[in-house]
Amino acid sequence: NAGVTQTPKFQVLKTGQSMTLQCAQDMNHNSMYWYRQDPGMGLRLIYYSASEGTTDKGEVPNGYNVSRLNKREFSLRLESAAPSQTSVYFCASSGAGLAGDLSYEQYFGPGTRLTVT
Amino acid sequence: LAKTTQPISMDSYEGQEVNITCSHNNIATNDYITWYQQFPSQGPRFIIQGYKTKVTNEVASLFIPADRKSSTLSLPRVSLSDTAVYYCLVGGINSGGYQKVTFGTGTKLQVIP
Repeated sequence: NAGVTQTPKFQVLKTGQSMTLQCAQDMNHNSMYWYRQDPGMGLRLIYYSASEGTTDKGEVPNGYNVSRLNKREFSLRLESAAPSQTSVYFCASSGAGLAGDLSYEQYFGPGTRLTVT
Repeated sequence: LAKTTQPISMDSYEGQEVNITCSHNNIATNDYITWYQQFPSQGPRFIIQGYKTKVTNEVASLFIPADRKSSTLSLPRVSLSDTAVYYCLVGGINSGGYQKVTFGTGTKLQVIP
């Protein structure tokens, strides 16, 4: 049981390049999330997916797109990277919504450190 | 979303009990209160969750007064390994199944030897 996994761990992009951050969970959770964390700051929600086939914007969605490929996987795409997107990106999942699951606990992945030059 | 306010930083000596208070004046009826811990270069980790009164688990206690406008995370006998940022979150599930919560800037706890 690996929990939430993210790839890659580190990435350096040039301005204008594109890339996709991958996230997978093996806990059969319905909900998945993408956050970014800038230095010294809290986490800000980029996009979330309440269930397979649905996605919606969070607090800071501009410059990003997401895909909920299946129940396990939730990817985040930067179409044209900008220096302002330099950050640590965390993926999380939650069982909230599963029958009988009243826990609001989100399980986080190890993060992807992205630098855009 | 309910806004939370917590101290930016706190220092404590090893072995002491630490209490971190979070203010959430506009908490909604269906909202739960959740606390997370984050170490440098790691994702946040769930500590404890509650709705009202007192909740205790193996690592912490959460005290919530009757009006639920604040909550206090209590860490008994802290050690150096408890040095981390602690986030107070308030939120619940909306009709779409989304767990709507907001991470603030957190409280940076420094445990001193």
